[in-house]
Amino acid sequence: SQTIHQWPATLVQPVGSPLSLECTVEGTSNPNLYWYRQAAGRGLQLLFYSVGIGQISSEVPQNLSASRPQDRQFILSSKKLLLSDSGFYLCAWSQKIGGGRGGYTFGSGTRLTVV
Amino acid sequence: AQTVTQSQPEMSVQEAETVTLSCTYDTSESDYYLFWYKQPPSRQMILVIRQEAYKQQNATENRFSVNFQKAAKSFSLKISDSQLGDAAMYFCAYSGNTGNQFYFGTGTSLTVIP
Repeated sequence: SQTIHQWPATLVQPVGSPLSLECTVEGTSNPNLYWYRQAAGRGLQLLFYSVGIGQISSEVPQNLSASRPQDRQFILSSKKLLLSDSGFYLCAWSQKIGGGRGGYTFGSGTRLTVV
Repeated sequence: AQTVTQSQPEMSVQEAETVTLSCTYDTSESDYYLFWYKQPPSRQMILVIRQEAYKQQNATENRFSVNFQKAAKSFSLKISDSQLGDAAMYFCAYSGNTGNQFYFGTGTSLTVIP
Protein backbone atom coordinates (compact mmCIF):
# COMPACT_ATOMS: atom_id res chain seq x y z
CA SER A 1 0.00 0.00 0.00
CA GLN A 2 1.04 3.58 -0.50
CA THR A 3 2.42 5.66 2.34
CA ILE A 4 3.58 9.23 2.58
CA HIS A 5 6.22 10.44 4.99
CA GLN A 6 6.87 14.03 5.95
CA TRP A 7 9.51 15.41 8.26
CA PRO A 8 10.35 17.01 10.54
CA ALA A 9 7.12 17.09 12.53
CA THR A 10 8.03 20.27 14.37
CA LEU A 11 10.55 22.96 13.59
CA VAL A 12 11.50 26.22 15.27
CA GLN A 13 13.77 28.40 13.16
CA PRO A 14 15.10 31.95 13.55
CA VAL A 15 14.24 34.64 11.04
CA GLY A 16 16.69 34.64 8.15
CA SER A 17 17.65 30.99 8.49
CA PRO A 18 17.20 28.45 5.68
CA LEU A 19 14.45 25.85 5.53
CA SER A 20 14.19 22.37 4.13
CA LEU A 21 11.10 20.19 4.55
CA GLU A 22 11.03 16.80 2.97
CA CYS A 23 8.25 14.55 1.77
CA THR A 24 8.53 11.07 0.30
CA VAL A 25 5.96 8.65 -1.04
CA GLU A 26 6.28 4.87 -1.04
CA GLY A 27 4.39 2.20 -2.88
CA THR A 28 3.61 4.07 -6.07
CA SER A 29 5.40 5.56 -9.05
CA ASN A 30 5.06 8.93 -10.74
CA PRO A 31 2.80 10.43 -8.07
CA ASN A 32 1.53 13.97 -8.29
CA LEU A 33 2.88 15.85 -5.30
CA TYR A 34 1.65 18.94 -3.51
CA TRP A 35 2.72 21.34 -0.77
CA TYR A 36 0.03 23.15 1.22
CA ARG A 37 0.28 25.70 4.00
CA GLN A 38 -2.31 26.21 6.70
CA ALA A 39 -2.28 29.16 9.06
CA ALA A 40 -3.77 28.60 12.52
CA GLY A 41 -7.53 28.05 12.32
CA ARG A 42 -7.54 28.70 8.61
CA GLY A 43 -8.05 26.82 5.38
CA LEU A 44 -5.53 25.22 3.07
CA GLN A 45 -3.42 27.21 0.66
CA LEU A 46 -1.80 25.37 -2.24
CA LEU A 47 1.84 26.44 -2.57
CA PHE A 48 3.37 24.13 -5.16
CA TYR A 49 2.57 21.03 -7.12
CA SER A 50 4.62 18.68 -9.26
CA VAL A 51 3.61 16.20 -11.93
CA GLY A 52 7.09 14.76 -12.42
CA ILE A 53 10.80 15.00 -11.67
CA GLY A 54 12.02 18.56 -12.02
CA GLN A 55 8.53 19.86 -12.85
CA ILE A 56 7.30 22.42 -10.34
CA SER A 57 4.29 24.69 -10.58
CA SER A 58 4.00 27.59 -8.16
CA GLU A 59 0.59 28.79 -7.09
CA VAL A 60 1.62 31.63 -4.83
CA PRO A 61 4.73 33.81 -5.39
CA GLN A 62 6.56 34.01 -2.10
CA ASN A 63 9.68 33.35 -0.13
CA LEU A 64 9.50 29.60 -0.66
CA SER A 65 10.58 27.24 -3.41
CA ALA A 66 10.06 23.56 -4.15
CA SER A 67 12.08 20.88 -5.85
CA ARG A 68 11.53 17.31 -6.95
CA PRO A 69 14.93 15.66 -7.34
CA GLN A 70 13.53 12.13 -7.44
CA ASP A 71 10.24 10.61 -8.54
CA ARG A 72 8.87 10.18 -5.03
CA GLN A 73 10.62 13.01 -3.23
CA PHE A 74 9.33 16.55 -2.84
CA ILE A 75 11.23 19.25 -0.97
CA LEU A 76 10.07 22.64 0.26
CA SER A 77 12.83 25.18 0.81
CA SER A 78 13.61 28.72 1.70
CA LYS A 79 16.92 30.57 1.69
CA LYS A 80 15.82 33.06 4.35
CA LEU A 81 12.77 32.53 6.50
CA LEU A 82 10.37 35.33 7.35
CA LEU A 83 8.08 35.54 10.37
CA SER A 84 5.15 35.21 7.98
CA ASP A 85 6.38 31.76 6.91
CA SER A 86 5.20 30.32 10.22
CA GLY A 87 2.38 27.82 9.83
CA PHE A 88 1.50 24.21 9.32
CA TYR A 89 2.82 22.64 6.13
CA LEU A 90 1.21 19.62 4.58
CA CYS A 91 2.53 17.43 1.81
CA ALA A 92 0.07 15.40 -0.24
CA TRP A 93 0.07 13.05 -3.19
CA SER A 94 -2.45 11.83 -5.73
CA GLN A 95 -2.40 9.30 -8.54
CA LYS A 96 -4.33 11.62 -10.84
CA ILE A 97 -3.52 15.30 -11.10
CA GLY A 98 -6.23 17.20 -9.27
CA GLY A 99 -7.16 14.16 -7.23
CA GLY A 100 -9.76 12.31 -9.24
CA ARG A 101 -11.53 9.44 -7.54
CA GLY A 102 -8.63 8.79 -5.19
CA GLY A 103 -8.52 12.30 -3.85
CA TYR A 104 -5.44 13.40 -2.03
CA THR A 105 -3.51 11.53 0.66
CA PHE A 106 -1.77 13.76 3.15
CA GLY A 107 1.37 13.48 5.21
CA SER A 108 1.29 14.14 8.92
CA GLY A 109 2.42 17.74 8.53
CA THR A 110 5.20 20.00 9.79
CA ARG A 111 4.53 22.73 12.32
CA LEU A 112 6.96 25.55 11.54
CA THR A 113 7.50 28.42 13.92
CA VAL A 114 9.76 31.23 12.82
CA VAL A 115 11.08 33.26 15.75
CA ALA B 1 -13.52 27.92 -11.67
CA GLN B 2 -15.07 25.53 -9.24
CA THR B 3 -15.77 26.73 -5.73
CA VAL B 4 -16.57 24.91 -2.53
CA THR B 5 -18.47 26.68 0.24
CA GLN B 6 -18.84 25.66 3.85
CA SER B 7 -21.15 28.20 5.45
CA GLN B 8 -20.79 26.95 9.03
CA PRO B 9 -17.42 28.00 10.51
CA GLU B 10 -18.29 26.28 13.81
CA MET B 11 -20.73 23.62 14.93
CA SER B 12 -21.30 21.79 18.18
CA VAL B 13 -23.08 18.58 19.07
CA GLN B 14 -23.84 16.66 22.22
CA GLU B 15 -22.10 13.35 22.56
CA ALA B 16 -24.23 10.52 21.09
CA GLU B 17 -26.33 12.96 19.08
CA THR B 18 -26.37 13.54 15.32
CA VAL B 19 -24.93 16.53 13.52
CA THR B 20 -24.97 17.60 9.88
CA LEU B 21 -22.25 19.71 8.28
CA SER B 22 -23.14 21.60 5.13
CA CYS B 23 -21.22 21.99 1.90
CA THR B 24 -22.20 23.45 -1.45
CA TYR B 25 -20.15 23.64 -4.61
CA ASP B 26 -20.28 25.20 -7.99
CA THR B 27 -19.26 23.40 -11.15
CA SER B 28 -20.17 23.04 -14.80
CA GLU B 29 -18.83 19.48 -14.96
CA SER B 30 -21.12 16.48 -14.89
CA ASP B 31 -18.55 13.99 -13.68
CA TYR B 32 -16.65 14.73 -10.49
CA TYR B 33 -15.85 13.54 -6.99
CA LEU B 34 -16.61 14.97 -3.58
CA PHE B 35 -14.83 14.32 -0.33
CA TRP B 36 -14.99 15.04 3.37
CA TYR B 37 -11.70 15.25 5.23
CA LYS B 38 -11.25 15.36 8.98
CA GLN B 39 -8.43 17.29 10.61
CA PRO B 40 -8.19 16.47 14.35
CA PRO B 41 -5.99 18.45 16.76
CA SER B 42 -2.98 16.47 15.51
CA ARG B 43 -3.69 18.29 12.23
CA GLN B 44 -3.21 15.31 9.95
CA MET B 45 -5.80 15.33 7.19
CA ILE B 46 -7.80 12.10 7.12
CA LEU B 47 -10.22 11.08 4.40
CA VAL B 48 -13.62 10.41 5.95
CA ILE B 49 -15.86 9.69 2.98
CA ARG B 50 -15.99 9.99 -0.79
CA GLN B 51 -18.89 10.38 -3.23
CA GLU B 52 -18.79 9.87 -6.98
CA ALA B 53 -21.16 12.24 -8.77
CA TYR B 54 -22.41 9.57 -11.16
CA LYS B 55 -23.65 7.46 -8.26
CA GLN B 56 -27.12 8.31 -7.01
CA GLN B 57 -26.69 6.33 -3.82
CA ASN B 58 -25.34 8.31 -0.90
CA ALA B 59 -22.01 7.09 0.45
CA THR B 60 -21.84 5.67 3.97
CA GLU B 61 -18.89 4.80 6.18
CA ASN B 62 -19.98 3.48 9.57
CA ARG B 63 -21.33 6.50 11.51
CA PHE B 64 -20.60 8.89 8.65
CA SER B 65 -22.96 9.38 5.72
CA VAL B 66 -23.55 12.01 3.12
CA ASN B 67 -26.61 13.62 1.60
CA PHE B 68 -25.63 14.25 -1.99
CA GLN B 69 -28.03 16.44 -3.94
CA LYS B 70 -26.51 16.79 -7.41
CA ALA B 71 -29.06 19.18 -8.83
CA ALA B 72 -28.75 21.47 -5.83
CA LYS B 73 -24.94 21.02 -5.78
CA SER B 74 -25.09 20.16 -2.13
CA PHE B 75 -22.99 17.62 -0.25
CA SER B 76 -23.64 17.48 3.49
CA LEU B 77 -21.98 15.18 6.01
CA LYS B 78 -24.03 13.52 8.73
CA ILE B 79 -22.28 12.17 11.80
CA SER B 80 -24.43 9.85 13.87
CA ASP B 81 -23.86 8.88 17.50
CA SER B 82 -21.21 11.59 17.83
CA GLN B 83 -18.14 10.69 19.85
CA LEU B 84 -15.54 12.85 21.57
CA GLY B 85 -13.02 11.72 18.97
CA ASP B 86 -15.12 13.29 16.23
CA ALA B 87 -14.10 16.74 17.43
CA ALA B 88 -12.07 18.18 14.56
CA MET B 89 -12.03 20.56 11.64
CA TYR B 90 -13.94 19.10 8.68
CA PHE B 91 -13.15 20.09 5.12
CA CYS B 92 -15.32 19.49 2.09
CA ALA B 93 -13.41 19.03 -1.16
CA TYR B 94 -14.11 18.74 -4.88
CA SER B 95 -12.17 17.07 -7.67
CA GLY B 96 -13.24 17.29 -11.28
CA ASN B 97 -12.69 14.55 -13.79
CA THR B 98 -11.03 16.84 -16.31
CA GLY B 99 -9.28 19.55 -14.34
CA ASN B 100 -6.02 19.54 -12.45
CA GLN B 101 -7.20 21.25 -9.29
CA PHE B 102 -8.51 19.98 -5.98
CA TYR B 103 -10.78 22.51 -4.32
CA PHE B 104 -11.24 22.75 -0.56
CA GLY B 105 -13.85 24.55 1.46
CA THR B 106 -12.80 26.77 4.34
CA GLY B 107 -13.67 24.16 6.95
CA THR B 108 -16.13 23.65 9.80
CA SER B 109 -14.84 23.28 13.33
CA LEU B 110 -16.87 20.64 15.17
CA THR B 111 -17.00 20.56 18.96
CA VAL B 112 -18.42 17.52 20.72
CA ILE B 113 -19.88 18.29 24.13
CA PRO B 114 -19.66 15.49 26.70
